[in-house]
Amino acid sequence: EVQLLESGGGLVQPGGSLRLSCAASGFTFTNYAMSWVRQAPRKGLEWVSAITGSGGDTYYTDSVKGRFTISRDNSKNMLYLQMSSLRAEDTAFYYCAKDEGSWGQGTLVTVSS
Amino acid sequence: DIQMTQSPSTLSASVGDRVTITCRASQSIGFWLAWYQQKPGKAPKFLIYKASTLESGVPSRFSGSGSGTEFTLTISSLQPDDFATYYCQQYDSYPFTFGPGTKVDIK
Repeated sequence: EVQLLESGGGLVQPGGSLRLSCAASGFTFTNYAMSWVRQAPRKGLEWVSAITGSGGDTYYTDSVKGRFTISRDNSKNMLYLQMSSLRAEDTAFYYCAKDEGSWGQGTLVTVSS
Repeated sequence: DIQMTQSPSTLSASVGDRVTITCRASQSIGFWLAWYQQKPGKAPKFLIYKASTLESGVPSRFSGSGSGTEFTLTISSLQPDDFATYYCQQYDSYPFTFGPGTKVDIK
């Protein structure tokens, strides 16, 4: 059974940094691209970033380019999202998502002073 | 970026109804479309990929069709557990984009 478990969310001040982690199990991690998707309170879904299975290519939505960095450690079946220069509009649940597959339960990031 | 639209935005229906949700892309995305179901306070649930392939464990009353720019999600006989918000997502090209969602509520 595919399982994705996010962690690392919390309250951070504007301009601060946070690193999200996603622990994957139940599938051959290195074979799949992975994404981060977010959802602001009472809003729709927004794709944030993706990384290929090898980690060699990364992609970002325009609003986070230069501020967020996606990475993975295939030896540990872990996906990461390093977030810096955080803004109030980054406040959202952040979900880890397997390519053409399941999502985790999400972790809440709140950017507020 | 590819823009995704959904119609209707809200749909009121009764148990047993046949329900159809339409998703349109601003340019051709082939078959690279997924559907998700989300209930309040829960993570989205992956339902369908490649426009029409049902994820394992998803009830057969759900079906997807379409290609290019127009797609549909059909629930053949609406069940109480199906009242939720449904999103489409294109994954033909980055940035991947979602539709705004269709809320299916009780008539």
